[in-house]
Amino acid sequence: AIRMTQSPSSLSASTGDRVTITCRASQGISSYLAWYQQKPGKAPKLLIYAASTLQSGVPSRFSGSGSGTDFTLTISCLQSEDFATYYCQQYYSYPPITFGPGTKVDIK
Amino acid sequence: QVQLVQSGAEVKKPGASVKVSCKASGYTFTSYDINWVRQATGQGLEWMGWMNPNSGNTGYAQKFQGRVTMTRNTSISTAYMELSSLRSEDTAVYYCARGSKATYPYYYYYYMDVWGKGTTVTVSS
Repeated sequence: AIRMTQSPSSLSASTGDRVTITCRASQGISSYLAWYQQKPGKAPKLLIYAASTLQSGVPSRFSGSGSGTDFTLTISCLQSEDFATYYCQQYYSYPPITFGPGTKVDIK
Repeated sequence: QVQLVQSGAEVKKPGASVKVSCKASGYTFTSYDINWVRQATGQGLEWMGWMNPNSGNTGYAQKFQGRVTMTRNTSISTAYMELSSLRSEDTAVYYCARGSKATYPYYYYYYMDVWGKGTTVTVSS
């Protein structure tokens, strides 16, 4: 199974900051990567698929890039509603679909 | 609107089985996969498997092979996930999620775009 790692595991930031989260796959997955946001007690929400395609309704301050094994999720100007945990997920080779361990973004 | 409504919380004893339902509305149930993902308290997301509601075909994560069964009733647009031989480590929130595709001539991108609110399953003696 393809293993996904994320860095950092957590970060503290202030509103207005630019935030970058990295996701790495244990083998090449082309652009078969999605990003999700999860707030406490809530279901995950799809942000990005195909590594860089913004899901409908997601604010444009979110962007994704990368291909192969290395990917990034960037929040250009952090808003209060963006404090959450972010997961990457591959679907290049499934089953199984695999998720990264998550990156928690909290308030500095 | 498009939504997935899951059944209520369950408390089970070790060794028992649990069956969680996921009712789809607002879209054609047979046109999209249903995935099941679970999350233990304070932990990350773990994909369990998927089902094609049109064909009934399924694919399970190896970890759950032999213990999980995903089925559906198309007449009521409902998917089910049954997990047997429960142990304390199965205590988690279980989510169903719609699998969608962005299709191109020779490939497609797959993503989970609609999620249920989750069903808490507690396994305790």
